[in-house]
Amino acid sequence: DGGITQSPKYLFRKEGQNVTLSCEQNLNHDAMYWYRQDPGQGLRLIYYSQIVNDFQKGDIAEGYSVSREKKESFPLTVTSAQKNPTAFYLCASSRTPGHPYEQYFGPGTRLTVT
Amino acid sequence: SQQGEEDPQALSIQEGENATMNCSYKTSINNLQWYRQNSGRGLVHLILIRSNEREKHSGRLRVTLDTSKKSSSLLITASRAADTASYFCATAGGGGSEKLVFGKGTKLTVNP
Repeated sequence: DGGITQSPKYLFRKEGQNVTLSCEQNLNHDAMYWYRQDPGQGLRLIYYSQIVNDFQKGDIAEGYSVSREKKESFPLTVTSAQKNPTAFYLCASSRTPGHPYEQYFGPGTRLTVT
Repeated sequence: SQQGEEDPQALSIQEGENATMNCSYKTSINNLQWYRQNSGRGLVHLILIRSNEREKHSGRLRVTLDTSKKSSSLLITASRAADTASYFCATAGGGGSEKLVFGKGTKLTVNP
């Protein structure tokens, strides 16, 4: 059963703590993306990766970090430097970087920081 | 930066009616895509229309693209309660950009 998994579904953290969100895909896609969604808003791109060991900043990368050590995995760390980390985080993947194909999304992780 | 702007922001209709959502964008595009999001879930890709296409159909969905007006519309015919969701347009820029830029979405409610 091919797809993208994100874990956990809900995550709670105290202010000042770093937290890592997991994203795994078995679609054999080269490109992976992280988005943030706030209530009533569209998706904003945080980071994306076109190939293993390479990634680029999106529109709102400040306070976030990523790694891409394996093709299947693209974890996102929300650092304590992110001023408003509470949001819904979505991971996506697509085939063949450099071509704007459709993206496949995971179910999302809702992060609450208090 | 968000390029696509959907209109209306919210739409409420009765089951069986048609629903039309519009998307406007600012710069040239390679393609335009429509996605659906059920409450609290991930997005699901519905349809992709390339810049050299004017109309595309998929089941009860019909998408049009007018590049001269930089706008697209999504028509859902004979709507069902299960169509209740938010619908987003996303534009893929020219020049081989693999990034998508999403609008803020239209929240569709289909009343049984």
